Amino acid sequence: TQLLEQSPQFLSIQEGENLTVYCNSSSVFSSLQWYRQEPGEGPVLLVTVVTGGEVKKLKRLTFQFGDARKDSSLHITAAQPGDTGLYLCAGEKNGNKLVFGAGTILRVKS
Amino acid sequence: EAGVTQSPTHLIKTRGQQATLRCSPISGHTSVYWYQQALGLGLQFLLWYDEGEERNRGNFPPRFSGRQFPNYSSELNVNALELEDSALYLCASSSYAGSGNTIYFGEGSWLTVV
Repeated sequence: TQLLEQSPQFLSIQEGENLTVYCNSSSVFSSLQWYRQEPGEGPVLLVTVVTGGEVKKLKRLTFQFGDARKDSSLHITAAQPGDTGLYLCAGEKNGNKLVFGAGTILRVKS
Repeated sequence: EAGVTQSPTHLIKTRGQQATLRCSPISGHTSVYWYQQALGLGLQFLLWYDEGEERNRGNFPPRFSGRQFPNYSSELNVNALELEDSALYLCASSSYAGSGNTIYFGEGSWLTVV
């Protein structure tokens, strides 16, 4: 059983469309991180959210941490082919142990 | 500034053998984490080392072990290799062992067990 449920698992969209990836849990996290991973490479950190209700923007990406710090979302506006990759959310529990979601594979077609 | 570096990039071993993977953290980082990314299973936490000591361990059998050296580099050892150990092993490092810390990943070591 995944502690962090990430959805959808797969997403294939056309360039210019918007999308949202969700990360949900019944547990409270002290922080939550979003990563993007390309084939053959390690995950690259996109953002860390710490405060409940926090919203962070990174160009066309908007990240939100739920008020109760149990869930998070990643919204991409006007997706581009360069956004293609595996998106991972990771929640920090006690003891610095990061728990990862299973990931969302995003494919943006031109 | 160099990022987290891992070696080897690829490793092929036979069942029953031992594998050793190495990781050098970002300069100044004292915490090193190991993760296993197997097909269909996502990223699974393996081990966390900080200041030379094992701080936390994931749900893996004892044949997965490691250590952290005085220069904060780390080794992951996998004994008695099984076919299902085939995976990408990722090392990450962070600058301090506190809440909200950011970890940075290396590019990983591909282990194939045949």
